[in-house]
Amino acid sequence: QQQVKQSPQSLIVQKGGISIINCAYENTAFDYFPWYQQFPGKGPALLIAIRPDVSEKKEGRFTISFNKSAKQFSLHIMDSQPGDSATYFCAASGGSGGYNKLIFGAGTRLAVHP
Amino acid sequence: KAGVTQTPRYLIKTRGQQVTLSCSPISGHRSVSWYQQTPGQGLQFLFEYFSETQRNKGNFPGRFSGRQFSNSRSEMNVSTLELGDSALYLCASSLAGGQGSPLHFGNGTRLTVT
Repeated sequence: QQQVKQSPQSLIVQKGGISIINCAYENTAFDYFPWYQQFPGKGPALLIAIRPDVSEKKEGRFTISFNKSAKQFSLHIMDSQPGDSATYFCAASGGSGGYNKLIFGAGTRLAVHP
Repeated sequence: KAGVTQTPRYLIKTRGQQVTLSCSPISGHRSVSWYQQTPGQGLQFLFEYFSETQRNKGNFPGRFSGRQFSNSRSEMNVSTLELGDSALYLCASSLAGGQGSPLHFGNGTRLTVT
């Protein structure tokens, strides 16, 4: 019940295209859903986060869509750029686990080709 | 503002030894969490400290321990190292650990056990 399932494992997108990464969770007590971006040799960096009372949140080229009934959320990267090439992790937390006990998805390796 | 600082960046130890990793959180942040990142298991929560007290713990054996000092700096210790402990150990800090207090990660300590 603690799992967060992330897909796809890897993604190749052309420059200017839309990158879409999907996640599903099981624990209905989760109420905080962040996305992190990680470059080689660096720690994960927070991109954007959403709470279940909102169905969509947009920050620049990054948008999270949230479907509470389906227990799914996704990250859309509009106008993808080569500099977006990185590994992306979705995560979830909340409930009895506390907000800093993030349950991470397995990650998606994104490659944006010029 | 300086980010989360972890030392050392790289460490090579032998099976059976013990190791101590250090983390300095962002100034003003009182919560420090530790995560283990491996290719096989992904990002997994180890424990969280707040005001020098362990507030949350993941599913790791007792060989993994940590502590937090009065200045919020934290250390984690792994005793009787095993080959499977080879991983990137990430420290993350937040203001207080609530929903509106996102986690900021350091760049990690890469531990290799031979």
